[in-house]
Amino acid sequence: AQSVSQHNHHVILSEAASLELGCNYSYGGTVNLFWYVQYPGQHLQLLLKYFSGDPLVKGIKGFEAEFIKSKFSFNLRKPSVQWSDTAEYFCAVTTNAGKSTFGDGTTLTVKP
Amino acid sequence: GAVVSQHPSRVICKSGTSVKIECRSLDFQATTMFWYRQFPKQSLMLMATSNEGSKATYEQGVEKDKFLINHASLTLSTLTVTSAHPEDSSFYICSARDLAGVNNEQFFGPGTRLTVL
Repeated sequence: AQSVSQHNHHVILSEAASLELGCNYSYGGTVNLFWYVQYPGQHLQLLLKYFSGDPLVKGIKGFEAEFIKSKFSFNLRKPSVQWSDTAEYFCAVTTNAGKSTFGDGTTLTVKP
Repeated sequence: GAVVSQHPSRVICKSGTSVKIECRSLDFQATTMFWYRQFPKQSLMLMATSNEGSKATYEQGVEKDKFLINHASLTLSTLTVTSAHPEDSSFYICSARDLAGVNNEQFFGPGTRLTVL
């Protein structure tokens, strides 16, 4: 069975600071990787996804993530966060069978 | 495109009653829909995989007789919480996989907040 680990439970940053959220997974086969964001009171939205090809993927709102296969990692980055980035961020892994596993989530608080 | 809706968005019921939650893919067909449960400040836990025209596949620890899932068409799956109790109070989220899509991308509904008194 696959598992997903997000290292940071709560991250607090000031506006314009750089962001990196860690995500590691364990699974022996091929996976698709996703980062989702959940703004307060709203539903999950897809930030970015990796299926194959270039391991550096760019998503919406200036976010990007890098898949490092040797490290089973898919860390999320943003060079300069904004107050509006305050939200819950979830890393997820989906196997070829379509089964998804989510990490525990990271709460990002950006101070204005 | 790729919109998933859930109804109702919020429901409050008395203990012992049953509640039905609908999940619809509005602009695409979904052979597979997923039901998740999310407790406050926690992650999504997959409850079951719903396949159109066949029985749902439940995750370990999820009572199939308590959480009845029906996927009668390519655009609709329902989750019925039977004889609900306060411990069933949670945020229930569905997602759907586009029949014509690739790479297992799922589209999430807005969720249903269930409160059992």
